[in-house]
Formats: sequence, structure tokens, C-alpha cells
Amino acid sequence: QVQLVQSGAEVKKPGASVKVSCKSSGYTFTSYYLYWVRQAPGQGLECMGIINPNTDSPNYAQNFQGRVTMTRDTSASTVYMELSSLRFEDTAVYYCARGDGYNYSLDYWGQGTLVTVSS
Amino acid sequence: VVMTQSPLSLPVALGQPASISCRSSQSLLYSDGNTYLSWFQQRPGQSPRRLIYKVSYRDSGVPDRFSGSGSGTDFTLKISRVEAEDVGVYYCMQGTHWPWTFGQGTKVEIK
Repeated sequence: QVQLVQSGAEVKKPGASVKVSCKSSGYTFTSYYLYWVRQAPGQGLECMGIINPNTDSPNYAQNFQGRVTMTRDTSASTVYMELSSLRFEDTAVYYCARGDGYNYSLDYWGQGTLVTVSS
Repeated sequence: VVMTQSPLSLPVALGQPASISCRSSQSLLYSDGNTYLSWFQQRPGQSPRRLIYKVSYRDSGVPDRFSGSGSGTDFTLKISRVEAEDVGVYYCMQGTHWPWTFGQGTKVEIK
């Protein structure tokens, strides 16, 4: 069965960086794009960007350009999302989700990683 | 593309129908003839779960009391008879224009 397992919760200071991992299993890792979506406390969902695990090429949403880096390790079937210059408002649950190919949707989600930015 | 849901809160009695509206600021009809509008359910403390994709295609394991409809810029998720397990927040999402965007969410609760 398809599973996306994310790394554990993080607490960071303003200005620091955080790197969240998402390990895939149950399918061919290089065959599906992976997306990162965040959810601030009590708020809605926001798409941060996408990475093609086959080519390692990312595409970031404009709101995060310059601060986010998405990478992958094919040998570990894992993608990573690094967010730099953290602000208090980056406190959120960060999800990875699998792109559903030509349905242009998200069919499987990770369990989420809470990142807290606090001084 | 801005996705606007209504209502934002929806109290419903058990066994009664529920309907959530989602409107987009641009047409979601893609050049290939498909419309990429999905619906997700997020139960308290859980990750989102997809219910519907491409407007009306129900995911495997999703009860048939959930249905999606619409076209262009106007879409609806309907629950024919609300059950206790349907409590949560429902989001629409468009996959036609990058970046993909979500509605603000509609909280369904039992009256």
C-alpha cells in the first residue's frame, strides 16, 4: 500500500532553516510527482511546490520562491523540503502529498510535520 | 486562482443532506477538455483525504453518499445523508492552474 512517512516535529528560531523529509513506499518512487502543502494553525491549505523525483526538478509557488528548496534522494525514496529564513508565521503543519498523474490532484498524503517557529 | 467556498460552517442533522459550494476566480476547464477540481475531507487531527477528483470521480472506498458536480467556475459537493463520521472540514482544490489552490474550507458539524 502507498505510504508517505514524514520526519518528526521541529522547533526553530526565527531566521533559522528547517528540513523536512518524506519517505515513500508501496509504489515506484520516480513515477509520481510529490507536492508540499502547508497548513497554519486553524487555517486552510497552501501549496508550496512540487518536485519531479525522476528528474529532481522542482517548481515552487511564487509565495515561497527564494526561501524553499525541494530535493530528492532516489536511493532512499525520499523527498526533502527545506525552508529558510523562518518567520513566526511559518509555524504550520507541513504535508507531503503524491500527485495523481494526469488527474492533476493529490491522492495520498503524509501524516504531516509540525514546524514551530519560536524565540 | 482564488477558490471561494460557502458556507464556511455547516451544521447538519444526522441523516439530512448537506451541500457545499466552491467557486473559482477563473474557469477550471483545461485545454485537454478536462476540469481539474478535487474535494478533500479533513477529519479532526488527521491529514486530508481525497474524496472526489475531476469534478465528479469518487475515490475508491468513498461512500456513494458523497457526490461532486459542476463545471467552469461553479462546483458543488453533496452529502446525501450526513453521518457522524462525516464531521470535519471539507476543501475544494483546483489543479488546472499553477500553483494549485484550495478553498478556505467548510466545517461540517452535527446539529
